[in-house]
Amino acid sequence: QSVLTQPPSVSAAPGQKVTISCSGSSSNIGNNYVSWYQQLPGTTPKLLIYESNKRPSGIPDRFSGSKSGTSATLGITGLQTGDEADYYCGTWDSSLTAGVFGGGTKLTVL
Amino acid sequence: QLQLQESGPGLVKPSETLSLTCTVSGGSISSSSYYWGWIRQPPGKGLEWIGSIYYRGSTYYNPSLKSRVTISVDTSKNQFSLKLSSVTAADTAVYYCARARDTSMVPDYWGQGTLVTVSS
Repeated sequence: QSVLTQPPSVSAAPGQKVTISCSGSSSNIGNNYVSWYQQLPGTTPKLLIYESNKRPSGIPDRFSGSKSGTSATLGITGLQTGDEADYYCGTWDSSLTAGVFGGGTKLTVL
Repeated sequence: QLQLQESGPGLVKPSETLSLTCTVSGGSISSSSYYWGWIRQPPGKGLEWIGSIYYRGSTYYNPSLKSRVTISVDTSKNQFSLKLSSVTAADTAVYYCARARDTSMVPDYWGQGTLVTVSS
């Protein structure tokens, strides 16, 4: 049981837009930055979004992040087959004094 | 360019201690803006945060693992290490070392990961 809740799977057609939600509480998302990671099959997780809505250099602007209250959202536009991957949200939990991750969302591009 | 590389045994016997080291290159582990940590991923499952350390030695641990985990740092070698005691098959996972910004405390740079199997 993960501290952060993500949908197990989402799907959309190529070229479309998809959003992935990450729900937490005031001790984690509510008062800390959220990061998002992409893990392609058999590879290391890669940072997509940090500080809730910032993209590292090299990450296309098709990827966006937002946060509202105790939830965060990853948006991906112009879906490509190469976007098929597992996506994870992560943040700090101030009550646990520990990092926490969501359970992951598998994106299928139909 | 920052690189992190995990090293250590790929096979550990049940009840023994898992020991891994992460060597940092292309940057200083003594940077004031970052924490250094460990995350694991059991086969076919999600990410689990294990713990992190600041170069001066302060640590944070996952409460569910705290009684078995020790993370240490060696600034002279630009390395940090993980020890997980009393392992069972449930500790079989890919173990990643990572850097975390002190503004977020979750990873921005990851090592390639190393599979550790717990089996007799």
